[in-house]
Amino acid sequence: QKEVEQNSGPLSVPEGAIASLNCTYSDRGSQSFFWYRQYSGKSPELIMSIYSNGDKEDGRFTAQLNKASQYVSLLIRDSQPSDSATYLCAGKISGGYNKLIFGAGTRLAVHP
Amino acid sequence: DGGITQSPKYLFRKEGQNVTLSCEQNLNHDAMYWYRQDPGQGLRLIYYSQIVNDFQKGDIAEGYSVSREKKESFPLTVTSAQKNPTAFYLCASRQKITDTQYFGPGTRLTVL
Repeated sequence: QKEVEQNSGPLSVPEGAIASLNCTYSDRGSQSFFWYRQYSGKSPELIMSIYSNGDKEDGRFTAQLNKASQYVSLLIRDSQPSDSATYLCAGKISGGYNKLIFGAGTRLAVHP
Repeated sequence: DGGITQSPKYLFRKEGQNVTLSCEQNLNHDAMYWYRQDPGQGLRLIYYSQIVNDFQKGDIAEGYSVSREKKESFPLTVTSAQKNPTAFYLCASRQKITDTQYFGPGTRLTVL
């Protein structure tokens, strides 16, 4: 059974701090990973995608991928109350299937 | 505007009824997906279609049916065989070049 694991949280951080969200995956052949943000009652929206080992930065967001450790993370710098949401990690299943496996999500709460 | 639309936003079903959820996209994406999300859980794949007139079962296809007669449209029918259909249903389409799935706004189905 291919899985993506996330700590459900809530992860509580003060405004202006760095929020660190983590995800592990079991499918060693997975090549593509995605972070989605989901506000309560809304659909997921893409934050970052990452395909190769290392860091990828986009504004306040940095995604990190370590394929040897099967670990993906998302860092949010200068966290704002508007960042409070559930963050879903997803990995593409290996083997030629165009399907994603989603983690259950980590709830982030940024307090003023 | 390019995007994915789902209708209706809210849907109420009586016991024993079949209901159909609409999903339309004008992004020219080949692949489309249906997910179900229950409170506090990640997304679970119901059905997906990689091309017109072809579709495959996902992890939780029992009690659901789909069709893909047009590239733009991928309706989902929730049949009376689905014993616990109350959930948030999300449709997505995949951008081939980036392997990224984009989501519609979702349909919230409640069984009365």
